[in-house]
Amino acid sequence: AQSVTQLGSHVSVSEGALVLLRCNYSSSVPPYLFWYVQYPNQGLQLLLKYTTGATLVKGINGFEAEFKKSETSFHLTKPSAHMSDAAEYFCAVSEDDYKLSFGAGTTVTVRA
Amino acid sequence: NAGVTQTPKFRILKIGQSMTLQCTQDMNHNYMYWYRQDPGMGLKLIYYSVGAGITDKGEVPNGYNVSRSTTEDFPLRLELAAPSQTSVYFCASSSLNTEAFFGQGTRLTVV
Repeated sequence: AQSVTQLGSHVSVSEGALVLLRCNYSSSVPPYLFWYVQYPNQGLQLLLKYTTGATLVKGINGFEAEFKKSETSFHLTKPSAHMSDAAEYFCAVSEDDYKLSFGAGTTVTVRA
Repeated sequence: NAGVTQTPKFRILKIGQSMTLQCTQDMNHNYMYWYRQDPGMGLKLIYYSVGAGITDKGEVPNGYNVSRSTTEDFPLRLELAAPSQTSVYFCASSSLNTEAFFGQGTRLTVV
């Protein structure tokens, strides 16, 4: 069975500071891993996806995530936060590359 | 290019009423999904379909039904609405090796 744990339901950062969102997963097979972003009153948009190969994955809007198999983690980072990064972020895992299991989400606020 | 379109955007139902949430996609995707989103719970998979005529239960199917008569459409039916079904519902579609594309959501309140 697959599952995701996101550590921290709310994260507050200053504009220009590092954004770090933590995600740990469990999966019985090599997983597909995803980060999605949701802006208020909108659907989810894919930030990045890990399948196989390079463990550092670059996504849109300057985000990247690193797959660490030994730690079963897939943390999301952005070196310098922008006001437009304020949103809710979801980590997701899939064992078959189509059905997704989502974490509970982390809401990011950015302070001016 | 519309992507995934959900209707209605908002709905208030009384306990025991029924309704159908509509979802259509114009990307010719084989896979379609219904998720519900509750605060602090993330998204939970209700039903999914891997192609026309094929549907299967997800994590939280009780109280819902679906059908997939065409590639484009994947309606979700609530037969006897209950307060526990108050939620935001998202339809999504994908194809092999593509990301899932999500609709804008339907906010449903059952009173």
